Amino acid sequence: GAVVSQHPSRVICKSGTSVKIECRSLDFQATTMFWYRQFPKQSLMLMATSNEGSKATYEQGVEKDKFLINHASLTLSTLTVTSAHPEDSSFYICSVADRPNSNQPQHFGDGTRLSIL
Amino acid sequence: GNSVTQMEGPVTLSEEAFLTINCTYTATGYPSLFWYVQYPGEGLQLLLKATKADDKGSNKGFEATYRKETTSFHLEKGSVQVSDSAVYFCALFYNQGGKLIFGQGTELSVKP
Repeated sequence: GAVVSQHPSRVICKSGTSVKIECRSLDFQATTMFWYRQFPKQSLMLMATSNEGSKATYEQGVEKDKFLINHASLTLSTLTVTSAHPEDSSFYICSVADRPNSNQPQHFGDGTRLSIL
Repeated sequence: GNSVTQMEGPVTLSEEAFLTINCTYTATGYPSLFWYVQYPGEGLQLLLKATKADDKGSNKGFEATYRKETTSFHLEKGSVQVSDSAVYFCALFYNQGGKLIFGQGTELSVKP
């Protein structure tokens, strides 16, 4: 069965709206989760590493204030795209490491297709 | 820096054809190597992995061998099916930094 649950699977909303995406680890407690962004027909770009109980670690070039990450429990991380604009439209995918406190291999959620009108 | 390069797609094959998707990497040290598969509209699923040189990962008829001398991890399958149509990503995990680094993905289309 699924190890990672990501919700919602698809969001369509107006420009200026803030959108929250949830990533849940179903089988084990995850101190670390990862958020990726994927453009059409391109590879996955790591946006940030979500750490339970502490601040997320963002990759270079990713706006912290734009993409808010909260990892308040060992089974849930959320990504909030604040004041979304059409250029934020993309496929967002979260992942969870296979073993607690380990970064490999990773189990991926089914992704969230975000479309900003 | 560390990077992964895959052969460009799309790759179009007839059912039961032999598949090879090339993957080469650049990394210092000894990374672990992975192949992930992404079906349309879905997230990624781990297909197979190899953690050290000469290891062979295999799953669902797919195989890949970790070749350190050629820094390669080519994906192969002897007889593809229509259901194998998907995008395949080669990736490396390098302990220093602890991140998965993905290739650009190769789209495979299998025709009946």
